[in-house]
Amino acid sequence: KNEVEQSPQNLTAQEGEFITINCSYSVGISALHWLQQHPGGGIVSLFMLSSGKKKHGRLIATINIQEKHSSLHITASHPRDSAVYICAVGGGADGLTFGKGTHLIIQP
Amino acid sequence: KAGVTQTPRYLIKTRGQQVTLSCSPISGHRSVSWYQQTPGQGLQFLFEYFSETQRNKGNFPGRFSGRQFSNSRSEMNVSTLELGDSALYLCASSLAARNYGYTFGSGTRLTVV
Repeated sequence: KNEVEQSPQNLTAQEGEFITINCSYSVGISALHWLQQHPGGGIVSLFMLSSGKKKHGRLIATINIQEKHSSLHITASHPRDSAVYICAVGGGADGLTFGKGTHLIIQP
Repeated sequence: KAGVTQTPRYLIKTRGQQVTLSCSPISGHRSVSWYQQTPGQGLQFLFEYFSETQRNKGNFPGRFSGRQFSNSRSEMNVSTLELGDSALYLCASSLAARNYGYTFGSGTRLTVV
């Protein structure tokens, strides 16, 4: 069973700061997902990664398969980025295994 | 295109009752997976369906069951509800195999009293 660890658990930053959230997993995977959850519960899929790096707007996700580690970066953070960010691995018939999430608050 | 639709959004049930939740995936998506989210345990995998077949089930008691219909819509059922079943239940749909992305529904918040 894959163990997924995220850090930090909680992060408060000022608007404009560069944010990094880390995710480590214990067993080799074929894909890693970064998800965003706002109050109210809805989950949005941000990235699916199997290697390298992906960028979407101010969000960048990287993965190092050998080190079993991924990072999610937010550049020029904004209060609307405040949410819970969740790392998940696996999928398909096995379903996803999730980290406990990072609670991010961006203060104006 | 329409997203993943979960109904109902909110539900209050009494201990011992049973409940059925529904999930309509994105058109063309054949895989539907279900997850339970609680403050204590976080997000946990319940089961996954593909072409009307349950391919895998997470570590949940037999009171939790589900099915998928020929149009890919899925239902999950919880019988003999317990207080600890209070949670947000999310479904996600995907095209098919492991390396496809997921689209999540808004969830059904179940409260057991």
